[in-house]
Amino acid sequence: EAGVAQSPRYKIIEKRQSVAFWCNPISGHATLYWYQQILGQGPKLLIQFQNNGVVDDSQLPKDRFSAERLKGVDSTLKIQPAKLEDSAVYLCASSLEGTGQETQYFGPGTRLLVL
Amino acid sequence: DAKTTQPTSMDCAEGRAANLPCNHSTISGNEYVYWYRQIHSQGPQYIIHGLKNNETNEMASLIITEDRKSSTLILPHATLRDTAVYYCIVRPYRDNDMRFGAGTRLTVKP
Repeated sequence: EAGVAQSPRYKIIEKRQSVAFWCNPISGHATLYWYQQILGQGPKLLIQFQNNGVVDDSQLPKDRFSAERLKGVDSTLKIQPAKLEDSAVYLCASSLEGTGQETQYFGPGTRLLVL
Repeated sequence: DAKTTQPTSMDCAEGRAANLPCNHSTISGNEYVYWYRQIHSQGPQYIIHGLKNNETNEMASLIITEDRKSSTLILPHATLRDTAVYYCIVRPYRDNDMRFGAGTRLTVKP
């Protein structure tokens, strides 16, 4: 079974530029999550999708971050404009239904460096 | 905010059991204990979870105290590939927000 795919794996940009990350979840998984992991910390949930609808985006900095999952499969996370403090690993995860005690499966992440 | 307390780092000799403690003294009745690990440059990987009974799978065992205020993850025969950051997470039923803390950095030494 193929895992969660993410691209690019690494990205370096200057502050105030924009950047986008792509995630393809495990086939058949209805729920998709984006996490931000700052160096030395655990991942923090940014947004959760159930199919193509947003379930929870309470921790997403909406003035600069946006995410979409238009067809309920793959998803894009965008930052515009980027700040130095956005330097982090952006992890995508998916789970089957998003209910109860489901296991979340994580992708390898995209490492972003903002200069 | 994470509801768990874990040691910052631990060492273990290869082939020996690794016992990783976690304190979750404020856990409530409907909250499960989850363990994930993150090997360098990879995403977190699920290990095991439980509510109040001890659990075992092919990767590890989870021992939860009777009052549920603490737990221990046991890797019975640690290998070098078990070197990783181990996260203990308490999570209410039907809550998909995995509130990771800083975890325990386990180093398995030859």
